[in-house]
Amino acid sequence: DGGITQSPKYLFRKEGQNVTLSCEQNLNHDAMYWYRQDPGQGLRLIYYSQIVNDFQKGDIAEGYSVSREKKESFPLTVTSAQKNPTAFYLCASSSRGGNQPQHFGDGTRLSIL
Amino acid sequence: QKEVEQNSGPLSVPEGAIASLNCTYSDRGSQSFFWYRQYSGKSPELIMFIYSNGDKEDGRFTAQLNKASQYVSLLIRDSQPSDSATYLCAVVQDGGTSYGKLTFGQGTILTVHP
Repeated sequence: DGGITQSPKYLFRKEGQNVTLSCEQNLNHDAMYWYRQDPGQGLRLIYYSQIVNDFQKGDIAEGYSVSREKKESFPLTVTSAQKNPTAFYLCASSSRGGNQPQHFGDGTRLSIL
Repeated sequence: QKEVEQNSGPLSVPEGAIASLNCTYSDRGSQSFFWYRQYSGKSPELIMFIYSNGDKEDGRFTAQLNKASQYVSLLIRDSQPSDSATYLCAVVQDGGTSYGKLTFGQGTILTVHP
């Protein structure tokens, strides 16, 4: 089955800790994206990547980092610099081309311990 | 002014009625428009996309785009209780540095009551 797999489903972060959220896709999509959703709000773009070994900051990149070493993988690290990390994190992918629909994984819920 | 605006609702319609969801956007260069459905606690699911002015129909769903007035709408015919969800409007701005970047509205909560 083709799709986007995010793991873990739930994650808890301690004070001063970095945590990494996994996103893997087998849709052969070139572009991948990370969004954050807070309760009652729309999605905000953290980082996106149109091609392997290249990525751009979105609207709220501070306190986050990413890598894109393989086409199918786009992990997101939430660093200790992100002071308010509690949110629903969504990974998406699309074919190359700015107007292609994006499809989402099931998301990871991150909370502070 | 927010880049993409939706009425947060909640919008309540009876079963079998037409639900009308609206979205306005500020960037005149926007080229691509998407509607996602999000059930509580779940991730967004793409239900419609539209690129050209006019109507696009898919089953019970119709997307309408008017670039001159900078609005896009979603009509759901014969609404069912299973349509109860938050509907997110998303817009891709013109090329250049915004290439491929989706900007989301805050979503409209739809409730279909039996």
